[in-house]
Amino acid sequence: EPEVTQTPSHQVTQMGQEVILRCVPISNHLYFYWYRQILGQKVEFLVSFYNNEISEKSEIFDDQFSVERPDGSNFTLKIRSTKLEDSAMYFCASSPIGGSYEQYFGPGTRLTVT
Amino acid sequence: GQQVMQIPQYQHVQEGEDFTTYCNSSTTLSNIQWYKQRPGGHPVFLIQLVKSGEVKKQKRLTFQFGEAKKNSSLHITATQTTDVGTYFCARAAGNKLTFGGGTRVLVKP
Repeated sequence: EPEVTQTPSHQVTQMGQEVILRCVPISNHLYFYWYRQILGQKVEFLVSFYNNEISEKSEIFDDQFSVERPDGSNFTLKIRSTKLEDSAMYFCASSPIGGSYEQYFGPGTRLTVT
Repeated sequence: GQQVMQIPQYQHVQEGEDFTTYCNSSTTLSNIQWYKQRPGGHPVFLIQLVKSGEVKKQKRLTFQFGEAKKNSSLHITATQTTDVGTYFCARAAGNKLTFGGGTRVLVKP
């Protein structure tokens, strides 16, 4: 069964550094998402992406964040200057269509900012 | 904002017993989805409810959408150790999911 994959599984970085989290969505899916989950808390929406542009973003997704689909398979989340409070699990998800269709989540990247 | 609230936050269940977790919204929902996240894992889609009063079953799991479409419940019968995890309800609107806080289920053998 096709799966969403994410790399790396764990990223440790120093405050102020840039990080890029990578995702390979399911191949025939058209909508891509990033969510984050601070340890022990709920899953929070960051951004959705369709047709090579952002379709929706949350208030968390400020100017420090950007997303890109650099080729036909990868979908990346960049955090320009990491803060301690960016430490969280970041999940990529994809769906074949948007709206209320179910989303398929990747295994996540645990980001630790020191 | 249009949040969804879940209760209880934690559920300690004896193996073999039943339990129910609830999801509530102050506004009418067009749909509600349920996801399960195993410890250390990622959310996995379980089901979507869209119709008022809808009831769907998956083996020992029964999902219900309220008549007013402001609440939903997940009932698990004869709990097993494989049911351990956090169960989230989520509202799908636009191109995003808004998750509830989750019910973390711990099973005592």
